[in-house]
Amino acid sequence: NAGVTQTPKFQVLKTGQSMTLQCAQDMNHEYMSWYRQDPGMGLRLIHYSVGAGITDQGEVPNGYNVSRSTTEDFPLRLLSAAPSQTSVYFCASSLIGGGNTEAFFGQGTRLTVV
Amino acid sequence: AQSVTQPDIHITVSEGASLELRCNYSYGATPYLFWYVQSPGQGLQLLLKYFSGDTLVQGIKGFEAEFKRSQSSFNLRKPSVHWSDAAEYFCAVGLKTSYDKVIFGPGTSLSVIP
Repeated sequence: NAGVTQTPKFQVLKTGQSMTLQCAQDMNHEYMSWYRQDPGMGLRLIHYSVGAGITDQGEVPNGYNVSRSTTEDFPLRLLSAAPSQTSVYFCASSLIGGGNTEAFFGQGTRLTVV
Repeated sequence: AQSVTQPDIHITVSEGASLELRCNYSYGATPYLFWYVQSPGQGLQLLLKYFSGDTLVQGIKGFEAEFKRSQSSFNLRKPSVHWSDAAEYFCAVGLKTSYDKVIFGPGTSLSVIP
């Protein structure tokens, strides 16, 4: 079982560059989300999707864009990278949304913006 | 505002010793409660969860947690720690009213001394 797959695992960007972090799941989960993990701050929700064609903002959405054209894929776009976006990014999926379901996480993407 | 606190940033225990990781939450009702573990370089994995019923819940890898409503706490315990338990542990609360409300604590880093 692949579960949740994120690519790339590591990335270095220059300030102002754009890029897309890929996330795919093969569990037919409706709910997908992106978090960033920073030391001492836990995981903070960036964007989430409750199904194909439906996305919404989380706690820290500025500078990021998402779309959900299929159930399986939920890419995260950095529009113009800034050093403040240096972080570890996790994609997660769950069967349904809400607060009562287990989330399955990818292995993360470590992004450095210089 | 809803919040999750994990008072201990870092804990060191000897292999074979008992372990308790603390988690407190602030919310007007009883939320869904989770503990996740993150091994180095990996995504998060669910250890256990509490939704309702018996306030002592058992999880994987020999972990258990106890929900105490009066203290708004959900502490994680293990009677005998193994070296492989060294990891980051996150408490999370899922709120019952909104898709986007799964709040993670800042995490506790566990080191195990042989």
